[in-house]
Amino acid sequence: DTGVSQDPRHKITKRGQNVTFRCDPISEHNRLYWYRQTLGQGPEFLTYFQNEAQLEKSRLLSDRFSAERPKGSFSTLEIQRTEQGDSAMYLCASSRNTEAFFGQGTRLTVV
Amino acid sequence: GEDVEQSLFLSVREGDSSVINCTYTDSSSTYLYWYKQEPGAGLQLLTYIFSNMDMKQDQRLTVLLNKKDKHLSLRIADTQTGDSAIYFCAAERMNYGGSQGNLIFGKGTKLSVKP
Repeated sequence: DTGVSQDPRHKITKRGQNVTFRCDPISEHNRLYWYRQTLGQGPEFLTYFQNEAQLEKSRLLSDRFSAERPKGSFSTLEIQRTEQGDSAMYLCASSRNTEAFFGQGTRLTVV
Repeated sequence: GEDVEQSLFLSVREGDSSVINCTYTDSSSTYLYWYKQEPGAGLQLLTYIFSNMDMKQDQRLTVLLNKKDKHLSLRIADTQTGDSAIYFCAAERMNYGGSQGNLIFGKGTKLSVKP
């Protein structure tokens, strides 16, 4: 296990469908973060887990978004009733202390 | 609210030094980071600096921090074409509980290196 793994890398979905992304953090990293990045912007924080506890959620995370980290290892991010504005790169990161390492991201396109 | 700002573009010739600048607003940020992003890829952590340091050097990379002015810079010596990418400055976001490790990013500086 050499890095943060995200699946799938690309997802195209029709508006109104639900999608789920998975993130596998670096082993023994207790902190896990989800960010969203749109074209020409830096990543924006969505939510954060310490072990299995979701400790913080951004106001960007509307009711249609939900994230889980059931056993303190991998995490899922679900978007219900997708909208075109949800099209973005969804990035996962993990850390143990100071350094946060990012995965390659899941690029979501809502058509 | 907290903010991080960077210039959007920088163009240099191969072999020259590149200097990417960043300003941030949250003076309580304990750590400040530089990430690199190549097209279609995730973010690669390049380096970071603790807020009580003025400078950190790591091979071709030099980070300078002016905490009074809340100004951070990344210098890349002997810039190569492989350094062409978008560079993001990020500040640690502090809240009532202290650091949670989540980061505020700038919009990124696109570095173009010409042969």
